[in-house]
Amino acid sequence: DSGVTQTPKHLITATGQRVTLRCSPRSGDLSVYWYQQSLDQGLQFLIQYYNGEERAKGNILERFSAQQFPDLHSELNLSSLELGDSALYFCASSAWGDRGYEQYFGPGTRLTVT
Amino acid sequence: GENVEQHPSTLSVQEGDSAVIKCTYSDSASNYFPWYKQELGKRPQLIIDIRSNVGEKKDQRIAVTLNKTAKHFSLHITETQPEDSAVYFCAAIGNQFYFGTGTSLTVIP
Repeated sequence: DSGVTQTPKHLITATGQRVTLRCSPRSGDLSVYWYQQSLDQGLQFLIQYYNGEERAKGNILERFSAQQFPDLHSELNLSSLELGDSALYFCASSAWGDRGYEQYFGPGTRLTVT
Repeated sequence: GENVEQHPSTLSVQEGDSAVIKCTYSDSASNYFPWYKQELGKRPQLIIDIRSNVGEKKDQRIAVTLNKTAKHFSLHITETQPEDSAVYFCAAIGNQFYFGTGTSLTVIP
């Protein structure tokens, strides 16, 4: 168990709908990262937040948005969903560990758009 | 655009043999290169990493090499075991986070 939690574990919804994925980082970690993993695209970095502020942006669509709250949990909002948005969405938090910088991944949320 | 290329996409080796996975990156600002192992249905887990001021790092049966001039880095697994079977991802991190597309490694007993 990495200490990063994500809810829900599975989500099935229809095209055009909007969903919210939630992530809680490890205790004390200020950074939260969101990734999308689909079968044909591998792991894609979406966005990073640090202590409530956006720090880096990757391949995040305009239909997607995220935020990090004062208690450091983060939410990823996906709107106007398309079939191609079906994927596993991972959240990660980071810290400096014994081996240096480490990212700890949550268990993921599997989104299925029908 | 900026990305990380990872090869091969699939790799099968006999138990006890070595496995090598290679990645190239294009963003010169990348200075941290982790490798993740992802077993089926599970989350990626960091197995080894290297920083741009180091050329090689070893941790038991796993080693990583980095050639910053050529912008490529490699993962070496020696004496492979069936439990090494998984998907391995490389990443290049600097101002941005770039991941390779993964290598599915199968170790045949």
